[in-house]
Amino acid sequence: GNSVTQMEGPVTLSEEAFLTINCTYTATGYPSLFWYVQYPGEGLQLLLKATKADDKGSNKGFEATYRKETTSFHLEKGSVQVSDSAVYFCAHPTRGKLIFGQGTELSVKP
Amino acid sequence: DTEVTQTPKHLVMGMTNKKSLKCEQHMGHRAMYWYKQKAKKPPELMFVYSYEKLSINESVPSRFSPECPNSSLLNLHLHALQPEDSALYLCASSQAGLSTGELFFGEGSRLTVL
Repeated sequence: GNSVTQMEGPVTLSEEAFLTINCTYTATGYPSLFWYVQYPGEGLQLLLKATKADDKGSNKGFEATYRKETTSFHLEKGSVQVSDSAVYFCAHPTRGKLIFGQGTELSVKP
Repeated sequence: DTEVTQTPKHLVMGMTNKKSLKCEQHMGHRAMYWYKQKAKKPPELMFVYSYEKLSINESVPSRFSPECPNSSLLNLHLHALQPEDSALYLCASSQAGLSTGELFFGEGSRLTVL
């Protein structure tokens, strides 16, 4: 069935470190892919998306490239900030609903 | 206006109480959703309304009763809840059919059942 698998957290980094959060998916066809972020005490918000293979989504210094050969959509940022501390969810739509990964908690220390 | 507004932000209720959660959006979206989220876990879909009709019910217990009075409003009526129902309840909206996959979420209503 359709699913999304993310690397387990929590991930703890120092400020200005490089971030990678892995995400792989199983799906019928080639769905759009999304990263959502949830800051403490808030709802989820869309961080970035890619709608077809080889597309790169980017926002707020974060990037992810839709790789159909590896069915992956890894999230990267070159230099994280304390304000990036949040839970990150990879997702794709299927049959009228979003399938979320289990979430990866990121904690960035000064 | 790209906001989804949820009220109340916090709710404490006993197992015999009846309460409601409310959600409102003015983006012209025709699909609205209720999710339940436990701490640091992904949101779990409960209900989807599309064009004001219930289109998905993820086998949610009948103590949760959704209602969509119009295209901008979504309610979740709560009755005889259990302590394990304590969670963050998130409302979301999207273009109908989730064609772009983008959901707009509210900040949630944090429910505690005593």
